Amino acid sequence: QKEVEQDPGPLSVPEGAIVSLNCTYSNSAFQYFMWYRQYSRKGPELLMYTYSSGNKEDGRFTAQVDKSSKYISLFIRDSQPSDSATYLCATAKAGGTSYGKLTFGQGTILTVHP
Amino acid sequence: NAGVMQNPRHLVRRRGQEARLRCSPMKGHSHVYWYRQLPEEGLKFMVYLQKENIIDESGMPKERFSAEFPKEGPSILRIQQVVRGDSAAYFCASSPALLASTDTQYFGPGTRLTVL
Repeated sequence: QKEVEQDPGPLSVPEGAIVSLNCTYSNSAFQYFMWYRQYSRKGPELLMYTYSSGNKEDGRFTAQVDKSSKYISLFIRDSQPSDSATYLCATAKAGGTSYGKLTFGQGTILTVHP
Repeated sequence: NAGVMQNPRHLVRRRGQEARLRCSPMKGHSHVYWYRQLPEEGLKFMVYLQKENIIDESGMPKERFSAEFPKEGPSILRIQQVVRGDSAAYFCASSPALLASTDTQYFGPGTRLTVL
């Protein structure tokens, strides 16, 4: 079993839709959670970063973490064609040098069509 | 403030040759991380370095792969005697310090290695 599971999709939605992207993780030692966006043949770009349960909002993006169920989500409101990319969830453990090792989900391919 | 820089962006090697991938972290960042992304797979951690020190190399293959981050100059990921299975995108990331509550890793554009 992978430590971080993410549905690879692909996910296709119309412009303006609300998008929900999800990951589950198995190790309760994971304390930090990130969402990255990766355009084709580019490097991952940090979207959201959180270290507590609850919601964190940034513009059209909301990250949600539920540590009790080991479930993390990213919501995109009013989705745009420019949001079409692969979305990667990532986690890290707390303490010492553990934080240096991010564990990624497989990534979800999102297409927003006009 | 320039981001993480990697070069070359594309590298083609024949089986048995050596590949050297370079990474310059963001200004003010002293921690460097290397990840590998194989086709149809997610990013996999390889190694974590600070200046002149390897902190965690638990994701590095035991043979043919090595990494360094010298006092001066970029971090280098070196792959000796490349094989076709080494073909992948290699990403470098950097962070300012091990302040987990305030920051995380920022990625470069990657080096795409093709082994013929």
